[in-house]
Amino acid sequence: EVQVVESGGGLVQPGGSLRLSCAASGFTFRSYWMHWVRQAPGKGPVWVSRINSDGSSITYADSVKGRFTISRDNARNTLYLQMNSLRAEDTAVYYCVRESKHWFVPYFDFWGQGTLVTVSS
Amino acid sequence: DIQMTQSPSSLSASVGDRVTITCRSSQSISSYLNWYQHKPGEAPKLLIYAASSLQSGVPSRFSGSGSGTDFTLTISSLQPEDFATYYCQQSYSNPQFGQGTRLEIK
Repeated sequence: EVQVVESGGGLVQPGGSLRLSCAASGFTFRSYWMHWVRQAPGKGPVWVSRINSDGSSITYADSVKGRFTISRDNARNTLYLQMNSLRAEDTAVYYCVRESKHWFVPYFDFWGQGTLVTVSS
Repeated sequence: DIQMTQSPSSLSASVGDRVTITCRSSQSISSYLNWYQHKPGEAPKLLIYAASSLQSGVPSRFSGSGSGTDFTLTISSLQPEDFATYYCQQSYSNPQFGQGTRLEIK
């Protein structure tokens, strides 16, 4: 059974840092592109970052560029999101998401339950 | 950035009703369009990918259509478990979601 399980969320002060982890199981992690998607309370999902299967290609949303760093450890089947200089507007549930493709069309076929990040003093 | 606009933003319907949700992109995205269902406290669930392909395990009452800039998600006969929020998402460029359609029981 495919599973992705996030951890590392919590309450942090503005300007602080947090590192999220996502443990993957039930599939060949090293073969898949992975993403982080976040959802603020009462809002729709917003894409944050993606990393390709071997970690050589990374993209960020403009809102987090320069502050967040995505990475992966294929030996440990784990995805990470290092979040620095956190702001109140980063408050959200953060989802670890697997990408699959149909022909050339990417889609998000497995989502974790999410981990809540709250940025507040 | 490609903007995704869903309508309606909320919808009241009854069990057994046929429901259609629309999604429009600000520029052509071919068939790079996916649909998700989200219930509170649960992980979002993929329903339709590449505009019209049904994800494995998703009931056949769900269907998707469209290409270019206009897309629809149709639920042919609403079941109690279908009351949720639905999002479209384009994957033509950096992923972008619609603002959601909340489907409520009438």
